[in-house]
Amino acid sequence: DVKVTQSSRYLVKRTGEKVFLECVQDMDHENMFWYRQDPGLGLRLIYFSYDVKMKEKGDIPEGYSVSREKKERFSLILESASTNQTSMYLCASSPWGSTNEKLFFGSGTQLSVL
Amino acid sequence: GESVGLHLPTLSVQEGDNSIINCAYSNSASDYFIWYKQESGKGPQFIIDIRSNMDKRQGQRVTVLLNKTVKHLSLQIAATQPGDSAVYFCAESDTGRRALTFGSGTRLQVQP
Repeated sequence: DVKVTQSSRYLVKRTGEKVFLECVQDMDHENMFWYRQDPGLGLRLIYFSYDVKMKEKGDIPEGYSVSREKKERFSLILESASTNQTSMYLCASSPWGSTNEKLFFGSGTQLSVL
Repeated sequence: GESVGLHLPTLSVQEGDNSIINCAYSNSASDYFIWYKQESGKGPQFIIDIRSNMDKRQGQRVTVLLNKTVKHLSLQIAATQPGDSAVYFCAESDTGRRALTFGSGTRLQVQP
């Protein structure tokens, strides 16, 4: 089975802090994604990556950046955390050729920005 | 922009009954559809998917129906069990989009 692991289940940070959310997948998938999940809004795509060092903006990239230095790892960075970035963050991966099809999700990181 | 929506935010059913969760989409070019189940404290798990060249697809206790004429997707769960209690998301994509677009979710509550 594909395993997508997010390093933290819960995080509490202060406004203005730089925050790193880490995600690792073990199935050699080319594509990796970061979504945020808010009640009533479903899942919204922040960024995705289709190869090492390659990235594309999703629907809500403002306030975020990403890093993919190795195939198995995809990091989401909040340069200066704000309270409106309090949310559940979900990482996902998929194999080559299917950035818009079946995704395998991690368990999520619940981030609270105070 | 295009959107994917759900008719009911919460659906309550009796254990053993069949459940039907509906999803409307607006993108006429959508050609791939997928359902996910998300239990409390977990990430979304794949249930079933369907391409636009099909009207129906069956899995274990689940069936997805696609009506392209009215842009409607439904997930049917047979003999609903307490373990089916979760939030269900539909999502769609087309060849012109680089990623899935998700709906806002429906919570399924199974009453014993």
